[in-house]
Amino acid sequence: NAGVTQTPKFQVLKTGQSMTLQCAQDMNHNSMYWYRQDPGMGLRLIYYSASEGTTDKGEVPNGYNVSRLNKREFSLRLESAAPSQTSVYFCASSRTDSYNEQFFGPGTRLTVL
Amino acid sequence: GIQVEQSPPDLILQEGANSTLRCNFSDSVNNLQWFHQNPWGQLINLFYIPSGTKQNGRLSATTVATERYSLLYISSSQTTDSGVYFCAVGSGNTGKLIFGQGTTLQVKP
Repeated sequence: NAGVTQTPKFQVLKTGQSMTLQCAQDMNHNSMYWYRQDPGMGLRLIYYSASEGTTDKGEVPNGYNVSRLNKREFSLRLESAAPSQTSVYFCASSRTDSYNEQFFGPGTRLTVL
Repeated sequence: GIQVEQSPPDLILQEGANSTLRCNFSDSVNNLQWFHQNPWGQLINLFYIPSGTKQNGRLSATTVATERYSLLYISSSQTTDSGVYFCAVGSGNTGKLIFGQGTTLQVKP
């Protein structure tokens, strides 16, 4: 039982390049989330998927797209990376019913030059 | 949206000391979690505690939902307790979490 896994762990991009961050969970959770964490700050929600087949914007969605590929997998795409997107990205999942504890992956550290 | 405030922002303790971290939130919530972010950046679940009191070893937490605050108690602190402690809250049925700014704890040997 690996919980929430993310790939890659580290990535360096040049401005304008694109990339996809991958996330998978093996806890049969309904909901999945993408957050970003900037230095000295708490996490902020980018996008979430409350259930398979649905996605919604969070607090900071500009410059990102997401795909809920199936119940297990939720990817985050940067179409044209900008230096302002340099951050640590965390994926999370939860059951989203009466017991709603959220579990986080190890994070992806992204630098955009 | 819901505002989450954590205090104190920074805390330095001597090993063996006790501490209390506070989380205030501005509206009703149906989810409240405490996390420890270790020096390697990993987020570790400490408590899922939308109300009531829980204990896990040297750590305990209390949430008073009617008064919109939660407390995290760390007793007999150890150097491995160092890191950032986050409170995060959620409301509604989407499961989204709003994070506080965190309390940075340094435990000195």
